[in-house]
Amino acid sequence: GAVVSQHPSRVICKSGTSVKIECRSLDFQATTMFWYRQFPKQSLMLMATSNEGSKATYEQGVEKDKFLINHASLTLSTLTVTSAHPEDSSFYICSARVRVSYNEQFFGPGTRLTVL
Amino acid sequence: EDKVVQSPLSLVVHEGDTVTLNCSYEVTNFRSLLWYKQEKKAPTFLFMLTSSGIEKKSGRLSSILDKKELFSILNITATQTGDSAVYLCAVISGNKLVFGAGTILRVKS
Repeated sequence: GAVVSQHPSRVICKSGTSVKIECRSLDFQATTMFWYRQFPKQSLMLMATSNEGSKATYEQGVEKDKFLINHASLTLSTLTVTSAHPEDSSFYICSARVRVSYNEQFFGPGTRLTVL
Repeated sequence: EDKVVQSPLSLVVHEGDTVTLNCSYEVTNFRSLLWYKQEKKAPTFLFMLTSSGIEKKSGRLSSILDKKELFSILNITATQTGDSAVYLCAVISGNKLVFGAGTILRVKS
């Protein structure tokens, strides 16, 4: 199957700093990438849908000014958590989709963010 | 609001047991239902179900969908310790993937 990478895999930062997470499709071009957040013992919650070359579509309740998404190319999307606070500590997972069919959606390994 | 509910929330069994995980859903624009296995990192795809009554099998795992009752089950036979994981059910509603909270399965040796 296709490979999606995320970097960094783990980050610890101080409150108030901004953190950038990269999501790359390594061997295919992803027209759409998704960003999810998962709190401990909870399910994945879709944060936003990112299409290459256009603005991301955010889910209700997700602050677009706090979670900046850039999908600059068909292989790279970035999520920047601005002015991070401890409540932003979570597991962030991206996925990439090649075609409309969802079994073509491939998940990255996730990024564990801890804000002190 | 689209909703996916999984039960039980957690389950502890012994190796060799058979388990059945449940997933019910209420969504506005059903397209497909998917099962994933998550072990510490990102989910790995297991099955995608679109039609009612057609069982999908992969080794000891099988799954079936009932679109009338808005329900799916995931069966694991002859469980092994390596089956210990969180099993996630997700439904494609329109253009979105809506996840359930997951079932935590622990298989004891």
